[in-house]
Amino acid sequence: KNEVEQSPQNLTAQEGEFITINCSYSVGISALHWLQQHPGGGIVSLFMLSSGKKKHGRLIATINIQEKHSSLHITASHPRDSAVYICAVTNTGNQFYFGTGTSLTVIP
Amino acid sequence: DVKVTQSSRYLVKRTGEKVFLECVQDMDHENMFWYRQDPGLGLRLIYFSYDVKMKEKGDIPEGYSVSREKKERFSLILESASTNQTSMYLCASSVGGGNYGYTFGSGTRLTVV
Repeated sequence: KNEVEQSPQNLTAQEGEFITINCSYSVGISALHWLQQHPGGGIVSLFMLSSGKKKHGRLIATINIQEKHSSLHITASHPRDSAVYICAVTNTGNQFYFGTGTSLTVIP
Repeated sequence: DVKVTQSSRYLVKRTGEKVFLECVQDMDHENMFWYRQDPGLGLRLIYFSYDVKMKEKGDIPEGYSVSREKKERFSLILESASTNQTSMYLCASSVGGGNYGYTFGSGTRLTVV
């Protein structure tokens, strides 16, 4: 059983659409991370959050601690948003657990 | 700009070869990590280190070893490469004490033939 589950696994959207990627976790956490991985492999940290909501440009991340759920939203999606988005959590022992990722393709 | 640098983007090695994957960070981070990433399995922790000359096994250490002789450098060693070690390998570092400044390298895609 995975400690972190993401949905959907694959997502195709038209340019301009509003996109939501969901993440559920089953362990007690100290923080939740959203990561972005472009083709070629490099991973960039988008958000680290432990409560509420964070916004950076067209990206919004929310977390509901009681429901053990987080969402990553992309407004006005663009082809350059095409990437794999990975949800990860750290437990109180600072151990990381990773979701398997959501592969997003935005079509012009 | 802070960086985690992995020495190779692509590597092809033969079965049985000894393989070294190098990772260097310039952020004076205490913690360094090696992960492998496989389709459908996500990122899995191989080894990590919280200090120089210190190492801890992660979830899948079998077939791997590591070396951390200097704070900025964390090496992953495949003693005798096998085809099931064909994967994307990612190095990361973070500030001591946990989650802060967590930064990934750009990855090394290793193929063992």
